[in-house]
Formats: sequence, structure tokens, C-alpha cells
Amino acid sequence: DQQVKQNSPSLSVQEGRISILNCDYTNSMFDYFLWYKKYPAEGPTFLISISSIKDKNEDGRFTVFLNKSAKHLSLHIVPSQPGDSAVYFCAASRYSGGYQKVTFGTGTKLQVIP
Amino acid sequence: GAGVSQSPRYKVAKRGQDVALRCDPISGHVSLFWYQQALGQGPEFLTYFQNEAQLDKSGLPSDRFFAERPEGSVSTLKIQRTQQEDSAVYLCASSLGGGGNTIYFGEGSWLTVV
Repeated sequence: DQQVKQNSPSLSVQEGRISILNCDYTNSMFDYFLWYKKYPAEGPTFLISISSIKDKNEDGRFTVFLNKSAKHLSLHIVPSQPGDSAVYFCAASRYSGGYQKVTFGTGTKLQVIP
Repeated sequence: GAGVSQSPRYKVAKRGQDVALRCDPISGHVSLFWYQQALGQGPEFLTYFQNEAQLDKSGLPSDRFFAERPEGSVSTLKIQRTQQEDSAVYLCASSLGGGGNTIYFGEGSWLTVV
């Protein structure tokens, strides 16, 4: 049962344009959402997060939007740069068994074309 | 240390061999997680420690997998009698507290069973 879904395995965007990565979840108990970025042969790196009490969080070129009613979140990167080319993982967490348990999606590979 | 450190980075094991993977979390981080990431997939939860207590081991795929964190800092993931399906990247992550939402990953230990 895939509770966090990233339905687009890959995305190509021209440098300078907007990249939009999407994520859907099924468990309404999730209360915190995160995006991680992963380069080849490295571990995932935390990028940005959002609490379920908010609908938007912005950090520089990165903005995460949360639509709780649709159980959907998205990551916007504006403007996209070639260095943004990586795999992006959506993650969702909920308090369970005494800790915040984090569940990951399968990732979207972003390619930013110079 | 400044980040989560894992060793070895790469391990090739013969089928049936035992392996031990080490994780040194960020200093002061109470929570420690192990994840398994197969090729083309997102990280899958294996187990969680809060200090030295293993609060959740529901993700361990079989009784060949064992994890410990005896002094609440360094952790070891042990896989006995390795099989080819164990080939994956094993990611360790830590966070400040049990209620902490952001987890920080190491670079991973790449295990190949031949």
C-alpha cells in the first residue's frame, strides 16, 4: 500500500522556467510533509517542509504548496537551474508509536536543460 | 560530527555472508532511523531507535536483519546470511528528537550481494 505517491517518474524543464513536482498521499493522519533532493551516489538532502496547518511555505526559489482536502502537495522551483537536476522525494510524517514516522514516495527525476 | 556518517560506503558480499553496516548520527540526535532503498524506489522504513531503545522494527524484512544502538549513539545494522534480494542502499538518518520532524540522511551504504 503506497501511502505517498509520486506519479511522474521523470520531468524535463528548460533552464529558467518553472519546475512543478507533484505528490499525493492517502493517509489523512499525516501532519508534516517534506521534500528531499538526491544526487547520484549521495544520500537524500532535506530541501523544504510544510506543516499541515499551513498551505504554503517558501524558501528562496523553492515553494511547497499543500492542499489538504485533495491530499496533494507540490514543489515549485522558480527559476529552474541545471544544478537542480536530481531525484526529488516527497515524504509525509505522522506521530505513531512515540515518534514521527516518515514515509517516502518513489521519487521524480528532474532534468533541467541548459 | 557535522553530518550523519555511514560505513562502509560500498560492500560486496557473497551470498550467505554476514554483513554489518555502521551509522554515526549527528551529535545529540536522539532519533535514529534505518531505511532500505532499492534501485528506482524511494527509501523504505526498516527500524527506529530513540536513544538506545528500538521502538519500531516493523520494517525489518526478515529475522536475518538485526539492528542495535547500545549506547544511544552509533548504530549497527546487521544482515545475516545475505541473499541477492538484500542488494540495496541502506540509509541511516537521524533527527533531534522523537517529535522532531526533519530527518537528516547519511550518504548510504551500497550493498551488493553476489
